[in-house]
Amino acid sequence: EVQLAESGGGLVQPGGSLRLSCVASGFTFSSYWLSWVRQAPGKGLEWVANIKQDGSEKYYVDSVKGRFTISRDNAKKSLSLQMNSLRAEDTAVYYCTRGGYLRFDGWGQGTRVTVSS
Amino acid sequence: EIVLTQSPATLSLSPGERATLSCRASQSVSSYLAWYQQKPGQAPRLLIYDTSNRATGIPARFSGSGSGTDFTLTISSLEPEDFAVYYCQQRTNWPPIFTFGPGTKVDIK
Repeated sequence: EVQLAESGGGLVQPGGSLRLSCVASGFTFSSYWLSWVRQAPGKGLEWVANIKQDGSEKYYVDSVKGRFTISRDNAKKSLSLQMNSLRAEDTAVYYCTRGGYLRFDGWGQGTRVTVSS
Repeated sequence: EIVLTQSPATLSLSPGERATLSCRASQSVSSYLAWYQQKPGQAPRLLIYDTSNRATGIPARFSGSGSGTDFTLTISSLEPEDFAVYYCQQRTNWPPIFTFGPGTKVDIK
């Protein structure tokens, strides 16, 4: 069974930084693209970033380019999202997902990020 | 940028009824269209991928169809656990950039 567990969310001031982490189990981590998908309060889903199996390719939604960095450690079966220069509009639940090449077929329970002064 | 539009925004039906959800793209998209179900307080779950393939463990009452710009998710006979929000999602050919539709809420009439 695919299991993904996010951590690292919290309250941060505008302009601040936060690092989200996700630990995976139940599948061959190094064989899959991985992604972060977010959901603002009461809103729909928004893909944020994805990363290839070996980390050689990374893509971002335009609104986070230059501010967010996705990375992975296959030995530790972990995925990260470094978020800098945070804005109020980045407030959301952030989901770690298996997939990001064609679809998202495994989801964590999410970690909440609130950007507010 | 491809925009996905879902209709209706809300669908009010009774258990046992048939649900037909629409997802329309602003331009022709590949067959890499997926559907997700999300219940309150839960993470989304993949239902359908590549337009018409059911994900692992998804009941046969869920089916997907379509091509080009128009796609449909059909729930043949609603069960109580099917009342939820449904999102469609597409991927650009390259690079792998993803877009979700705004969602359709299926609620109990």
